[in-house]
Amino acid sequence: GAVVSQHPSWVICKSGTSVKIECRSLDFQATTMFWYRQFPKQSLMLMATSNEGSKATYEQGVEKDKFLINHASLTLSTLTVTSAHPEDSSFYICSASQGARNQPQHFGDGTRLSIL
Amino acid sequence: LAKTTQPISMDSYEGQEVNITCSHNNIATNDYITWYQQFPSQGPRFIIQGYKTKVTNEVASLFIPADRKSSTLSLPRVSLSDTAVYYCLVGDEDNNNDMRFGAGTRLTVKP
Repeated sequence: GAVVSQHPSWVICKSGTSVKIECRSLDFQATTMFWYRQFPKQSLMLMATSNEGSKATYEQGVEKDKFLINHASLTLSTLTVTSAHPEDSSFYICSASQGARNQPQHFGDGTRLSIL
Repeated sequence: LAKTTQPISMDSYEGQEVNITCSHNNIATNDYITWYQQFPSQGPRFIIQGYKTKVTNEVASLFIPADRKSSTLSLPRVSLSDTAVYYCLVGDEDNNNDMRFGAGTRLTVKP
């Protein structure tokens, strides 16, 4: 149980394109979802926290107009990288929480984004 | 948020027991300790979670001393497939937003 599906797993696109990444909790309702980015050989960097039905909370230094997050339902959150540029190339990972006390996070398998 | 400190890397050999220690001197009363494993190009995977003393599951044990200022993840008889990065996170049981990762420990298991 507690499976998180992330799609697409890999995307290459031209500079200036907007890219949408989906994160779905398949067998549980996720009241909170987290978005991370990870550069090679580095740790995960938390970008934002999204709660179903409300605006996302962004970490300091993360542009909310650049990285649009929508959490419209208890099973789906999306991250849209708007007008992507090569420096946005990274590994993006989402995780979901069931919201119960002491429950661990469940992570998707990530999306490798490459901007040419 | 309790900041965590782990060794950057560790080496081991197949069949050995590996202990990875995480320091969290500012842990709060309500914080739990959770360990994750990450393979390259994959999302982290939950290993074990605990609050105090000792927790054991089918893959690992977690030792937490009385002062809770550190914790040790113990992997019995590692294999090559245990080569990965291991992260400890410390968070408030009432605040699931406490999900900032530290640097992690890169474990390399050699034959």
